[in-house]
Amino acid sequence: DTGVSQDPRHKITKRGQNVTFRCDPISEHNRLYWYRQTLGQGPEFLTYFQNEAQLEKSRLLSDRFSAERPKGSFSTLEIQRTEQGDSAMYLCASSQTELGYGYTFGSGTRLTVV
Amino acid sequence: KQEVTQIPAALSVPEGENLVLNCSFTDSAIYNLQWFRQDPGKGLTSLLLIQSSQREQTSGRLNASLDKSSGRSTLYIAASQPGDSATYLCAVAGATNKLIFGTGTLLAVQP
Repeated sequence: DTGVSQDPRHKITKRGQNVTFRCDPISEHNRLYWYRQTLGQGPEFLTYFQNEAQLEKSRLLSDRFSAERPKGSFSTLEIQRTEQGDSAMYLCASSQTELGYGYTFGSGTRLTVV
Repeated sequence: KQEVTQIPAALSVPEGENLVLNCSFTDSAIYNLQWFRQDPGKGLTSLLLIQSSQREQTSGRLNASLDKSSGRSTLYIAASQPGDSATYLCAVAGATNKLIFGTGTLLAVQP
């Protein structure tokens, strides 16, 4: 297992288009998190899953955003009708269920909406 | 609401110098604190994880301390090198293991 993988690394899209990102966590990690990071800021929490259950969503996750983890393995994050304000780095991380375990982050997907 | 602050926002030092990065948080009810490194345009690399019951952790030239009662953590980097240049992020985890991040310290080590 080589860590958390994210695909694609970069995505440029026109405003109004839909985009989908994929995250493959470390296989033995039950928890999967999505964060968003804009330039000069720390990452902000979007949502997290324990196995296939989505347990918490941030108010940052508007109705245009949806995340799934259908079989408790990989996850997808979809943004519908993209806006320029959606331009950011989208980071995925995974961890063990037990509290006190650290996170492992992927390399992120850089989204640019033009 | 948990808030995490990192000071300084940016730091430039000559190679070989020892340095300290500071992190403070408003709610002491944390489960752990993690320091990350981020290179430009890249993801986050975990450096050190300190559990709430621990006072410090060490890895190579890095030492992180935690004073939960006062809401503070420091990251000490010994004998800095140009390869240490990056943004350093501090994050605290609460009951759901959700991380709350500071805005980071941008470190430049001059050769």
